[in-house]
Amino acid sequence: KAGVTQTPRYLIKTRGQQVTLSCSPISGHRSVSWYQQTPGQGLQFLFEYFSETQRNKGNFPGRFSGRQFSNSRSEMNVSTLELGDSALYLCASSLVAASGSGGTQYFGPGTRLTVL
Amino acid sequence: AQTVTQSQPEMSVQEAETVTLSCTYDTSESDYYLFWYKQPPSRQMILVIRQEAYKQQNATENRFSVNFQKAAKSFSLKISDSQLGDAAMYFCAYRSHGNDMRFGAGTRLTVKP
Repeated sequence: KAGVTQTPRYLIKTRGQQVTLSCSPISGHRSVSWYQQTPGQGLQFLFEYFSETQRNKGNFPGRFSGRQFSNSRSEMNVSTLELGDSALYLCASSLVAASGSGGTQYFGPGTRLTVL
Repeated sequence: AQTVTQSQPEMSVQEAETVTLSCTYDTSESDYYLFWYKQPPSRQMILVIRQEAYKQQNATENRFSVNFQKAAKSFSLKISDSQLGDAAMYFCAYRSHGNDMRFGAGTRLTVKP
């Protein structure tokens, strides 16, 4: 079974631009969670989607948004990019709603975003 | 607030030896889940082991085992017979029902040949 895939793997943007990252979960998984990983802040939860509905949201500004499609693929959008948004963005999928149980999350390789 | 603390930023171990990574957490919940994830350099994060808080028995996965002390809110990971491929960042994580996953800052493990 194919793992979690994320596209693109690397991205360079300039301040003020917007960016869309994509995540395809493992086949059959209905939950997708997004995390931001930086050297200073570590791993921080962004949001979780389950069956096209946002289940949980982390403490990030409204510039960060996401959505999930009927095939469980998810996209994350960041508008008006700031230098501090440079990070590795990780997506994780699970069979059941991650926030509703101890369902194991499987992570993708991440998208490394650099904001200049 | 639920927090996870990994007090060892870096650890090293000799190949074939045993190493223990520490993790403590703070919660008022009684039912929750604990995880150890491994993130090798430039590779994706993978689950090493998980523990349900209601289970008293410590989880084991081959060379990896945990020492779960619920009263002390401690969840350490023991790696036996360390191998070069074990070198990675190890993250301890916590999640309770209805809440998001909380990660520790990570411990970088170096394995010396």
